Amino acid sequence: RKEVEQDPGPFNVPEGATVAFNCTYSNSASQSFFWYRQDCRKEPKLLMSVYSSGNEDGRFTAQLNRASQYISLLIRDSKLSDSATYLCVVNDAFSGGYNKLIFGAGTRLAVHP
Amino acid sequence: DVKVTQSSRYLVKRTGEKVFLECVQDMDHENMFWYRQDPGLGLRLIYFSYDVKMKEKGDIPEGYSVSREKKERFSLILESASTNQTSMYLCASSFAGGENTIYFGEGSWLTVV
Repeated sequence: RKEVEQDPGPFNVPEGATVAFNCTYSNSASQSFFWYRQDCRKEPKLLMSVYSSGNEDGRFTAQLNRASQYISLLIRDSKLSDSATYLCVVNDAFSGGYNKLIFGAGTRLAVHP
Repeated sequence: DVKVTQSSRYLVKRTGEKVFLECVQDMDHENMFWYRQDPGLGLRLIYFSYDVKMKEKGDIPEGYSVSREKKERFSLILESASTNQTSMYLCASSFAGGENTIYFGEGSWLTVV
């Protein structure tokens, strides 16, 4: 089983639609969680951190369910510029005091007019 | 503004050649990382460093080595390039501690023929 699993998509949605991505992780001791956005042939960039209480940033809402080891990202009122690959990222702590980010393979979103 | 610079964006090398990928960050970050990204596999950690002259193996270190002689510079070395090392290589950096955002360079596209 992969450590972080995502539906690869693609999700093809019209402008204005609401779309949700899910992600599951295998290590119940994982400490922190993030969504990154990656445009085609570009580097990943932090979209938002995911907090236990859930958090919102404009049209984007992230949720964490530790019991089910599940993270979600909701995008409301999709824009053409939201077209990208969304990476689910989990931060695992290791002995020795360092942390390790584990990336999902990404979910591709294509928003069309 | 945060800056992680990878000096070579596109390289074509022959099998057996020694390849150097250079990365420089200007944020005084303690941690630096090298990942490779392949379709369907997501980002996989090759090596990371949490201090000058310190290095730790990631998930896929075989065939690679690294060097960190100065805090701002982290080099990835392919001692003898092989075709299965054709990939996009991403350098990243962050402050120490798991909650800190990781910043990526623009990526180096390496083709080994």
